[in-house]
Amino acid sequence: ETGVTQSPTHLIKTRGQQVTLRCSSQSGHNTVSWYQQALGQGPQFIFQYYREEENGRGNFPPRFSGLQFPNYSSELNVNALELDDSALYLCASSLDQYTGELFFGEGSRLTVL
Amino acid sequence: KQEVTQIPAALSVPEGENLVLNCSFTDSAIYNLQWFRQDPGKGLTSLLLIQSSQREQTSGRLNASLDKSSGRSTLYIAASQPGDSATYLCAVRDSNYQLIWGAGTKLIIKP
Repeated sequence: ETGVTQSPTHLIKTRGQQVTLRCSSQSGHNTVSWYQQALGQGPQFIFQYYREEENGRGNFPPRFSGLQFPNYSSELNVNALELDDSALYLCASSLDQYTGELFFGEGSRLTVL
Repeated sequence: KQEVTQIPAALSVPEGENLVLNCSFTDSAIYNLQWFRQDPGKGLTSLLLIQSSQREQTSGRLNASLDKSSGRSTLYIAASQPGDSATYLCAVRDSNYQLIWGAGTKLIIKP
């Protein structure tokens, strides 16, 4: 059984560019959620996908969007990057969309210059 | 509105000591509470999940307790080791199924 994997691990972009981050969920998990974590802070919820549908969203603007595929892997897309988007982006998968235990990947460190 | 607090923000103890990390929440209407460990620049590792109907969970040297009525959870680490050095976060699943996070306690175990 493989755990949650994320790619890329690190990337550098400039303001205004677009970025796509990828996540493969743990085997059998149908729910994926994405979090943004700034240095020294707790994770902030971006959105959650269950069976390819977004079913929850935090306080993030529409330029943060996502997809979940039939194999339950997921993408996070961020358009028109801003300096404040620099953060660690974490993907988590779970068996239950409501109350399931979360299992996280190692994250993607995004730096916006 | 549910709020989760972890105090202290940082803790340094000598190797071998038993220690307790605290997590408090303002609304007792929760589904569960999960403790995580995070090494610098890394993802989160799930340590323990306690359902609202449970009082405690144990895994190896770790024991987590939950007292919903007082809005508190503790993570007990026995016989601490330098490898336990990390940031420990707790997260509460509230009545709207949202996960509410504490800011974490940074733990340093001195050899």
